Amino acid sequence: NAGVMQNPRHLVRRRGQEARLRCSPVKGHSHVYWYRQLPEEGLKFMVYLQKENIIDESGMPKERFSAEFPKEGPSILRIQQVVRGDSAAYFCASSLRTSGGYNEQFFGPGTRLTVL
Amino acid sequence: TQLLEQSPQFLSIQEGENLTVYCNSSSVFSSLQWYRQEPGEGPVLLVTVVTGGEVKKLKRLTFQFGDARKDSSLHITAAQPGDTGLYLCAGVSVRGSTLGRLYFGRGTQLTVWP
Repeated sequence: NAGVMQNPRHLVRRRGQEARLRCSPVKGHSHVYWYRQLPEEGLKFMVYLQKENIIDESGMPKERFSAEFPKEGPSILRIQQVVRGDSAAYFCASSLRTSGGYNEQFFGPGTRLTVL
Repeated sequence: TQLLEQSPQFLSIQEGENLTVYCNSSSVFSSLQWYRQEPGEGPVLLVTVVTGGEVKKLKRLTFQFGDARKDSSLHITAAQPGDTGLYLCAGVSVRGSTLGRLYFGRGTQLTVWP
């Protein structure tokens, strides 16, 4: 009865390196969302994916950030050439459906990215 | 700009007291969810309200969705130290183009002292 799994839980990168964050949704959930949480700012939507498709990436910076949810395997949020401002907690959530505006999202424990 | 405004931002009370946390917006939401988050962890879903005027109870927690589906409240009766945490409200917009995303308030940090 596993919930949303994220790894790693903590990730330290130096400026200019790449960060790869992984998310395995609740079994049977085909909708995945990524959010970023900064101190004093709350959780902000980044991207919404279904299997092999990006549905809404309007919350994700256009440069250096990318996300995928392949047919097999976890969803990946990739940040290239990280900068100090990318330091934050990144949360993945999954849901079973979004019909009729009813969209219960279940969150993983997050990945805390620190950029040195 | 924040689509959902939560108040108060901080709340510090003694065990046994009652409290209410508010979540307000000028926008209409299809549904609204309340989460609780503890340090170093992800938000945990407490409840989802969908119908305007809906009231849901979860033990000592009572959640209400406003008639116009623009606001919500969370009332805790006889608070306990175990209720300590960050309470977040999050809404699903009625706009079809943003149907997937949740809009979050900044949260209310509740501390209950024994």
